[in-house]
Amino acid sequence: EAQVTQNPRYLITVTGKKLTVTCSQNMNHEYMSWYRQDPGLGLRQIYYSMNVEVTDKGDVPEGYKVSRKEKRNFPLILESPSPNQTSLYFCASSLLIAPDTQYFGPGTRLTVL
Amino acid sequence: AQSVTQPDIHITVSEGASLELRCNYSYGATPYLFWYVQSPGQGLQLLLKYFSGDTLVQGIKGFEAEFKRSQSSFNLRKPSVHWSDAAEYFCAVGAGTSYDKVIFGPGTSLSVIP
Repeated sequence: EAQVTQNPRYLITVTGKKLTVTCSQNMNHEYMSWYRQDPGLGLRQIYYSMNVEVTDKGDVPEGYKVSRKEKRNFPLILESPSPNQTSLYFCASSLLIAPDTQYFGPGTRLTVL
Repeated sequence: AQSVTQPDIHITVSEGASLELRCNYSYGATPYLFWYVQSPGQGLQLLLKYFSGDTLVQGIKGFEAEFKRSQSSFNLRKPSVHWSDAAEYFCAVGAGTSYDKVIFGPGTSLSVIP
């Protein structure tokens, strides 16, 4: 089954404790992206990647890191999480580099205390 | 700056009634436009998209949208709403120099009265 998976689905952590949210897609997609969703703000793009070893900043990259060492995986790293990073995070992928239909993962609910 | 606005935060309609969700964008070049739907507790699913050509596009679940360049709008419509259409709806635009960024609007929450 074609899908985008994220782990964990729910995470409660404390300020400053490094964490990684994994994202994997099995559709051989070129483009992958991370978003955060906050009430009243919609989805805001954090980072995106157009191919292996090619990543770029979205609109809200501060406090986040990403890597794309393999085509299928695109982990999101929070080196020192803060409470303002409490949010719902979505990973997405699309076949083409230019904006195309994005397929979204189920989301990761992160709470930073 | 590139942006997407959805003027209606929340809309309530009766089942069987028609629906129009508004979307306005700000983008200098020809936009790539999308509508996504998010059911409660789920990820987002594409309803339809516009890249070029016919300005009236058909999507899944009986939805359609019309691109109006003069009004910078891409409104979503459905002639008869079903209770299962209750969800959050997001308009989005492909942006950036290579259309590699995606900007989402704040969303419109739709409630359907039986």
